[in-house]
Amino acid sequence: AQSVTQPDIHITVSEGASLELRCNYSYGATPYLFWYVQSPGQGLQLLLKYFSGDTLVQGIKGFEAEFKRSQSSFNLRKPSVHWSDAAEYFCAVGEAAGNKLTFGGGTRVLVKP
Amino acid sequence: AAGVIQSPRHLIKEKRETATLKCYPIPRHDTVYWYQQGPGQDPQFLISFYEKMQSDKGSIPDRFSAQQFSDYHSELNMSSLELGDSALYFCASSLGRREGPIETQYFGPGTRLLVL
Repeated sequence: AQSVTQPDIHITVSEGASLELRCNYSYGATPYLFWYVQSPGQGLQLLLKYFSGDTLVQGIKGFEAEFKRSQSSFNLRKPSVHWSDAAEYFCAVGEAAGNKLTFGGGTRVLVKP
Repeated sequence: AAGVIQSPRHLIKEKRETATLKCYPIPRHDTVYWYQQGPGQDPQFLISFYEKMQSDKGSIPDRFSAQQFSDYHSELNMSSLELGDSALYFCASSLGRREGPIETQYFGPGTRLLVL
């Protein structure tokens, strides 16, 4: 069965500093990977996705993620964090058959002024 | 751009009551997914529909049922509600005609259900 691990439950970062959120997956087949962001009281917004090809993918809001097959990782990064980036971030792996998503436990990001 | 619409946004019910949640997918999307997110938890897949037929099933209790209608909207029916059913229920939609090896799901704002 597929699984996703986000080792960091909470991360606090200063505004303007860089951010990296870790995601490790376990999946027997080709992984289809997603990052979603959930602002307080809001739904899940897609930041970026990786299906194949270039292992560095660009997303919305200045986010990027790098797929590393050897490490089974898909870490999310942003060079300079804005206060509006405070939210919960979910990494997910999708099954091609059935299309359902399995989410990690999420990482809550707090941004200090 | 039009997004996934869910109604109601908030719902309060008593134990043993029933609840119906509605989901209206993005126009032209024909696949709908339901997820349950308990307090402090990650979203868990419940069930999905493609072209009005159930396409996949996850950890959905037998007390819950769902269907997709001819206009592609979907309803999640929950009976004999329990305190543990209190959660945020997300609906997502995607295009049946795949843009790649897997469809991208777009989520609605969720329905927050509180069972007292």
